[in-house]
Amino acid sequence: KAGVTQTPRYLIKTRGQQVTLSCSPISGHRSVSWYQQTPGQGLQFLFEYFSETQRNKGNFPGRFSGRQFSNSRSEMNVSTLELGDSALYLCASTGQDTDTQYFGPGTRLTVL
Amino acid sequence: DAKTTQPPSMDCAEGRAANLPCNHSTISGNEYVYWYRQIHSQGPQYIIHGLKNNETNEMASLIITEDRKSSTLILPHATLRDTAVYYCIVRTNAGNNRKLIWGLGTSLAVNP
Repeated sequence: KAGVTQTPRYLIKTRGQQVTLSCSPISGHRSVSWYQQTPGQGLQFLFEYFSETQRNKGNFPGRFSGRQFSNSRSEMNVSTLELGDSALYLCASTGQDTDTQYFGPGTRLTVL
Repeated sequence: DAKTTQPPSMDCAEGRAANLPCNHSTISGNEYVYWYRQIHSQGPQYIIHGLKNNETNEMASLIITEDRKSSTLILPHATLRDTAVYYCIVRTNAGNNRKLIWGLGTSLAVNP
């Protein structure tokens, strides 16, 4: 089975722009979670989607949003980028028969 | 806030067992202990998880104390490729709130 894929792997944006990141879960997995990882904060939970519905949300401002499509692929969007949004964004998928989250390689976002 | 406490760093000689401790004194009865590792800026890799019994798989063994307030991840024969940051996580309630709360982990250096 193919693992979790994330695109793009690297991205450079400037302040004020917006960005969309994509995640394709493991085939058959319907839950997708997003995390932000920065050197000082570690991994911070953003949100979880299941069957196209946001099921859980972390403590991030409304500039961070996401959605999930009927094929379980998910996107997250960050609007009005700030320097502090520079981070590794990780996506994880979970199957129905397990609660284990499997992570993709991440998207490295740099905001200049 | 993270619900686990781990030493920030550890060293281990190649070929020896690496024993990584984790304290989770406030764990609830229905919470699992998960271990992941992250090799430099890649996505976290699932290692093992358990509820109250000791667990073993092809990667590692997990020893959970009887009172469940602490656990130890054992890599039986560490190799240089095991150099990574190891995260011990307790998973919040099952069902609609399955986010993982991450600490800063233990940076394990395996030395030749």
